[in-house]
Amino acid sequence: DIQMTQSPSTLSASVGDRVTITCRASQSIDSWLAWYQQKPGKAPQILISKASNLESGVPSRFSGSQSGTEFTLTISSLQPDDFATYYCQQYSNQWAFGQGTKVEI
Amino acid sequence: QVQLQESGPGLVKPSETLSLTCTVSGVSVSTYYWSWIRQPPGKGLEFIGHTFNGGSMYNPALTSRVTVTLDMSKNQFSLTLTSVTADDTAVYYCARHTYGVGLLYWGPGTLVTVSS
Repeated sequence: DIQMTQSPSTLSASVGDRVTITCRASQSIDSWLAWYQQKPGKAPQILISKASNLESGVPSRFSGSQSGTEFTLTISSLQPDDFATYYCQQYSNQWAFGQGTKVEI
Repeated sequence: QVQLQESGPGLVKPSETLSLTCTVSGVSVSTYYWSWIRQPPGKGLEFIGHTFNGGSMYNPALTSRVTVTLDMSKNQFSLTLTSVTADDTAVYYCARHTYGVGLLYWGPGTLVTVSS
């Protein structure tokens, strides 16, 4: 099974901060990784597909990158609406989610 | 406009079978991959399984208890989870996976509680 290790589990930040969340796969998943944002009581919403493709309607302050089996979600300037929990998901083989990162004030 | 909606009992007794249905509108279930994901209260997301017109794939940790099936005549897909315990208490989401992209469309989720 492919394991996804996401860090940190919690991140304290302020409006305007640059924020980085990392997800590491236990083996190669090519670029088959997506990032989601989830707010309390709501279903997750996709932000990034195929490691670095910004999905339609997602603000450009969100970006994704990859280095081997390490994937990064970056928020360039944190906005009040961005305080939420973020998940990575690999869809290469036996799909799996990372443990989540809660971005809080 | 693609929409998904989960339905089914909100309370299931331990050792019994959990059954949920996802009704899809705006696209035929004969295309794409159709997934179930769950989230225990206060915890993270867990992939359960998905089906497509040609087969299914399940989380190895649940594979002995899970079945996901398509009903093209009703444009629905369903989840069956047998021998439930309190650990299966969660919000259950249905979602559509677009190849090469990910889970683009989600239902609002439905809470299922396992309790006697």
